[in-house]
Parts: sequence; structure tokens; C-alpha cells
Amino acid sequence: EIVLTQSPGTLSLSPGERATLSCRASQSVSSSYLAWYQQKPGQAPRLLIYGVSTRATGIPDRFSGSGSGTDFTLTISRLEPEDFAVYYCQQYGSSFTFGPGTKVDIK
Amino acid sequence: EVQLVESGGGLVQPGGSLRLSCEASGFDFNRWSMNWVRQAPGKGLEWVSYINSNNRTIYYADPVEGRFTISRDNAKNSLYLQMNSLRDEDTAVYYCARDFKEMAIDYWGQGTLVTVSS
Repeated sequence: EIVLTQSPGTLSLSPGERATLSCRASQSVSSSYLAWYQQKPGQAPRLLIYGVSTRATGIPDRFSGSGSGTDFTLTISRLEPEDFAVYYCQQYGSSFTFGPGTKVDIK
Repeated sequence: EVQLVESGGGLVQPGGSLRLSCEASGFDFNRWSMNWVRQAPGKGLEWVSYINSNNRTIYYADPVEGRFTISRDNAKNSLYLQMNSLRDEDTAVYYCARDFKEMAIDYWGQGTLVTVSS
């Protein structure tokens, strides 16, 4: 089973700053099968990125994904107040696995 | 508009059983694979089970294998999760979630809370 590790655990930034979130896999992940989600307190997760770099419907272009193999990155170019949340990466091999999450909070 | 509405959660004693349901609307349910994903209080996301559109392919996460059973009724646009031999560690919000080409999960329900406690 592929294990995903996310860093940092918490990222403290101010609105307008750039956020860079890392997701590392224990084995190589096919580029079709790496996704990112955003979750706010009391809400279900929301799909942001799939296939490493494709934005889901309605996701603003300040969100971008990149990477390959075992190292992947979610970048938020300029943080808006509504972007402060927890972010999870996820891979699909023979099953889905999620990373432990990165919390982006207000500095 | 895609909607997934879970029901059936509640308080159950260890060793007990519970059946979760998910009613889907706003899309052709019989053409989409589905998942259950759970989240323990204050914790991260954990995938639980997958079923393809015609019931022929089913997967379970190791912690629930042999205790949980996923099923669907395409005529009723409904997904189910039968949970037996429940343990404390099964306590979580359970989400019904639509599978996007086995690449991601594109729609989630609001979740239903299952609490296993004596």
C-alpha cells in the first residue's frame, strides 16, 4: 500500500501570501492518480485538483498542482480569506489512500 | 445538481450493527462507481469501500474487511454500507462519495455520524 506524507503539518500565512504544500509518496504514483482536496470545519471535503494538475470544475486558477513520481505540490498563488482550511492529497492505486493533511491557518 | 444524502448513523454499542444509506440525485447513478470514506473526530480522511456501477467490483480497506459490506440499488439510486461487529475505532463521520474515473472523488455527501460506545 502506498503511504502519503504531507508537509508541513501546519502552515501559518497571511492573506495574499503564497502557500506551497508538499505531498510525498512511499512509492511512485501514476500521474493520473494524484488529487488534492480542501476541507473546512464542519464541511465535507471538496475536490480541488485531480490528475496531478487538472483543476476541478469551479476551482479558481490561484490553485495549481504539480509533481511526478513520489513528490507532488499544491500551490495557492495568493491566499484568499476563504482558503484557510485543511488540505489533503490522495492517490489511487488498487484503492484510495489519503495523506494526513496540512492545515493552512492565518498568521 | 449532484446531491448525495446519507442517513442511518447513530449510537451503537461495540459488537453491534448499523446500516448506512445514501440517496443520490442529479446524475445517472447507475453509470458511476461509488465510495464510502470516513473521518474520525478530529482526524484525517480514511477510504472505507468502493463499488463499481454494476456491483461486480468491490474493494474494502483492511480495517473493515470481513465486517462491512457495500452494496447498491441502481433502481433506487441508493448506496448502502452494512456495518457489523462494530468497534470503538469505527466511530467517525461516514461520507458517501462519487468516484471520478477511479482517479478522485468529485462529489461528497454531508456525512452521517456513527458513534460506537458502551
